[in-house]
Amino acid sequence: AQSVTQLDSQVPVFEEAPVELRCNYSSSVSVYLFWYVQYPNQGLQLLLKYLSGSTLVKGINGFEAEFNKSQTSFHLRKPSVHISDTAEYFCAVSEGSGTYKYIFGTGTRLKVLA
Amino acid sequence: DAGITQSPRHKVTETGTPVTLRCHQTENHRYMYWYRQDPGHGLRLIHYSYGVKDTDKGEVSDGYSVSRSKTEDFLLTLESATSSQTSVYFCAISEPPTGGNGYTFGSGTRLTVV
Repeated sequence: AQSVTQLDSQVPVFEEAPVELRCNYSSSVSVYLFWYVQYPNQGLQLLLKYLSGSTLVKGINGFEAEFNKSQTSFHLRKPSVHISDTAEYFCAVSEGSGTYKYIFGTGTRLKVLA
Repeated sequence: DAGITQSPRHKVTETGTPVTLRCHQTENHRYMYWYRQDPGHGLRLIHYSYGVKDTDKGEVSDGYSVSRSKTEDFLLTLESATSSQTSVYFCAISEPPTGGNGYTFGSGTRLTVV
């Protein structure tokens, strides 16, 4: 069965510093991978997704993620964070095109400090 | 969250009472989902629907039922609410043909069972 692990429950980082939020998944088949962001008291918004092709995926708000098949990882990065990036970030996986159910990680709370 | 609305946004109810949450979409998407969000657990799938009157269970379906009599509406019912069902509930929608389209989420319903 597929699963998603986000090892860091909280990540504090100073403004304008780089950040990496880690996501590892387990699956025996090819997958689609997603990062969602949730701002306080809001629903989740799609940040970026990997379906196939280039392993480096760029998303909104300057975020990017790299798919690493050998390490079964899909880490999210941003070279310089802003206060407004403070939010919770969720990694999700879907096992290819035949299913529409996503498995979500437990989330990483990013807190950007001034 | 254009095209998908949840009601109510907040609700406090007593243990043992029935509760129904509503998800309404204007996108004509085929798939609809109910998730619950709890600290340390991320999002967990309760039930989902792949068409009118076509529903299936997710990983945490005990104590919940759903109905979908129209494409645009997906109802989640707690037959007899318990304190363990205190949570934030999110509805999501998606559209084939592949699982790579991602979800669009509603703004959530915060349910407190006292």
